[in-house]
Amino acid sequence: QTAVTQEPSFSVSPGGTVTLTCGLRFGSVSTSYYPSWYQQTPGQAPRTLIYSTNTRSSGVPDRFSGSILGNKAALTITGAQADDESDYYCVLYMGTGIWVFGGGTKLTVL
Amino acid sequence: EVQLVQSGAEVKKPGESLKISCKGSGYSFTSYWIAWVRQMPGKGLEWMGIIYPGDSDTRYSPSFQGQVTISADKSISTAYLQLSSLKASDTAMYYCARRDLGGRYWYFDLWGRGTLVTVSS
Repeated sequence: QTAVTQEPSFSVSPGGTVTLTCGLRFGSVSTSYYPSWYQQTPGQAPRTLIYSTNTRSSGVPDRFSGSILGNKAALTITGAQADDESDYYCVLYMGTGIWVFGGGTKLTVL
Repeated sequence: EVQLVQSGAEVKKPGESLKISCKGSGYSFTSYWIAWVRQMPGKGLEWMGIIYPGDSDTRYSPSFQGQVTISADKSISTAYLQLSSLKASDTAMYYCARRDLGGRYWYFDLWGRGTLVTVSS
């Protein structure tokens, strides 16, 4: 099966900026994969952050932004806050009604 | 209120079958695809499959094809995930999620709270 890659873990200092990426083991991510991003804190359901590469979901602070960087989708958090400490998942639309999640990135804010 | 309400936690024995549900409310249930997502303990999210309740068109991840059955009853605005011949490795949280309307953005805009399934002898 197609492998969607994410950094297993990342850390950022409070107030800092961090960019998490979402790639393909074979190939490049483009807007045609409609990358979306989800935040999940322990014991909670995922929360939609970004869709269609760079559109913030309703209520999502503007410190979260999405883009394509090189051959990957990217989620950038600017001015990280303590409650941004979560797991972050990207998902790519592969076509024909199939989606694939990345393995997730555990973000630590310290 | 627009929401997806999932059925409660289940404890099953190996070899048993299970059908968990996801009821949509506050919106036109037949107009939106509903996906199922697995999360094994301490692990990431895995996309399992998706159904369009309007006509029961269903797609499966190759990883789950033949292992699970997704169905829907539009008369009661409910989607289902059926797991058969349960194994300990089916122990997981299962989420349902609504796909965006119209297929322009191809993402999941509404999530259920999850159903915890525990398989243990």
